[in-house]
Amino acid sequence: EAGVAQSPRYKIIEKRQSVAFWCNPISGHATLYWYQQILGQGPKLLIQFQNNGVVDDSQLPKDRFSAERLKGVDSTLKIQPAKLEDSAVYLCASSFRTGGSKQETQYFGPGTRLLVL
Amino acid sequence: GNSVTQMEGPVTLSEEAFLTINCTYTATGYPSLFWYVQYPGEGLQLLLKATKADDKGSNKGFEATYRKETTSFHLEKGSVQVSDSAVYFCALSDHNTNAGKSTFGDGTTLTVKP
Repeated sequence: EAGVAQSPRYKIIEKRQSVAFWCNPISGHATLYWYQQILGQGPKLLIQFQNNGVVDDSQLPKDRFSAERLKGVDSTLKIQPAKLEDSAVYLCASSFRTGGSKQETQYFGPGTRLLVL
Repeated sequence: GNSVTQMEGPVTLSEEAFLTINCTYTATGYPSLFWYVQYPGEGLQLLLKATKADDKGSNKGFEATYRKETTSFHLEKGSVQVSDSAVYFCALSDHNTNAGKSTFGDGTTLTVKP
C-alpha cells in the first residue's frame, strides 16, 4: 500500500513570495490533515478535511495561508505572502475516517521542509 | 486547553540500556494517547497507542501504560538498540472535541551509542 505522498520535499523562498505544497493521501482515506512543525517543536494542526469539507481550521493563519481539497482526494496548502516565521516542516497526514468513539490512526507523509529567507 | 509535556532531551544511552521517556498530559474528558517516532529524514510513524485508562500499548519492544490517576503515558524499553535513535513524540486525541485532532509534545531526541 502506497503511503502519503508530499511534494516538494524541500523549498527555499524569499519572504513575501508565495509557495504551495501538495499532498496525496492514502487511497480511500477520507480525512486529511496539514500540520506545521517548527524546529524543536511538535506538529501543530493547521487544517483538517473530511472528504472535501473543512472540519477544523482554527489554527490556520487565514490572512496568508489557504488550503483546498478538491474532489476529496489530493490537497494543496498555500502560503501567500510568506514570512520568516513560516520556516518549518509542513506535514500531511491521512486517516481512514474520523468520528465515532476512537481515534483512527493517522499516517504521515515525509513532509516538506520550507526555508524562508 | 489540551497539552502534552515531554521529558526534555536529548537523551543519550548506550546500547542495551533501559529507556524511559516521560510524558504527562492535560485534557478534558478521556483522551486517547499515542507515541510517534520520527527517524532521520522520514515522517512520523505511530509507535503505539492506548485508548482508555490502564491500557498498555506495545510495539517493537516499547511499552507505555495509560495512567489516568497521574495523567501520564511514559514510554519504556528494556534494551535499546542503535536503530532506536530517533525523535519520539507523545500525543493525545480528545474525543470530546475533534476526534481526529491530535495535540503533540515537543519531542525527545534519543541517541543510542554502540
